[in-house]
Amino acid sequence: DIQMTQSPSSLSASIGDRVTITCRTSQSIDTYLNWYQQKPGKAPNLLIYAASSLQSGVPSRFSGSGSGTDFTLTISSLQPEDFATYYCQQSYRSPRTFGHGTKVEIK
Amino acid sequence: QVQLQQWGAGLLKPSETLSLTCDVYGGSFSGYYWGWIRQSPGTGLEWIGEINHSGSTNYKSSLRSRVTMSIDTSKSQFSLKLTSVTAADTAIYFCARNKITLGRPWDSWGQGTLVTVSP
Repeated sequence: DIQMTQSPSSLSASIGDRVTITCRTSQSIDTYLNWYQQKPGKAPNLLIYAASSLQSGVPSRFSGSGSGTDFTLTISSLQPEDFATYYCQQSYRSPRTFGHGTKVEIK
Repeated sequence: QVQLQQWGAGLLKPSETLSLTCDVYGGSFSGYYWGWIRQSPGTGLEWIGEINHSGSTNYKSSLRSRVTMSIDTSKSQFSLKLTSVTAADTAIYFCARNKITLGRPWDSWGQGTLVTVSP
């Protein structure tokens, strides 16, 4: 199975901060990497697909980059509604696997 | 705008069969895979498997002996059965749509069903 390593596991940030979350995979996955946001009691919500494509309806402050084994999700200016847990996920090979999440909390 | 509405029993005893169904509103079945993902505090988000409109399936190997997915496009729904459940199967189960495009993302999700396995 392809292992997904997200870092950090949690972070504290203030409104307006630039936030970066990284995801490293145990083998190359080209750009078959997606990012999701999950809020308590809700299903995950797709933010970025294919490493850098913004899902329709997602604010442009979210961006993704990377290919191969190293990927980044960036929130350019953190907003109150962005406090949540973020997950990376690969669809290069079965089983599809997810990172363990990065919880973004209010400083 | 597609909507996924899932339903099924939430409390099971060990050895029973988990059965969940996901109704799909407002979307086509072709061009997508339809799948199940579960989430528990210990395991995190875990992909269970997926099925396409033709019934072609892809299951997680460690669950393959216990999992069956089916699809009924005439009823706009797909289903999950997981046999011989144990406490380790306790989780929130989500149905989701997998878009056959770059990245193969899960772009729409059901609301989730908490399934608890307890004697």
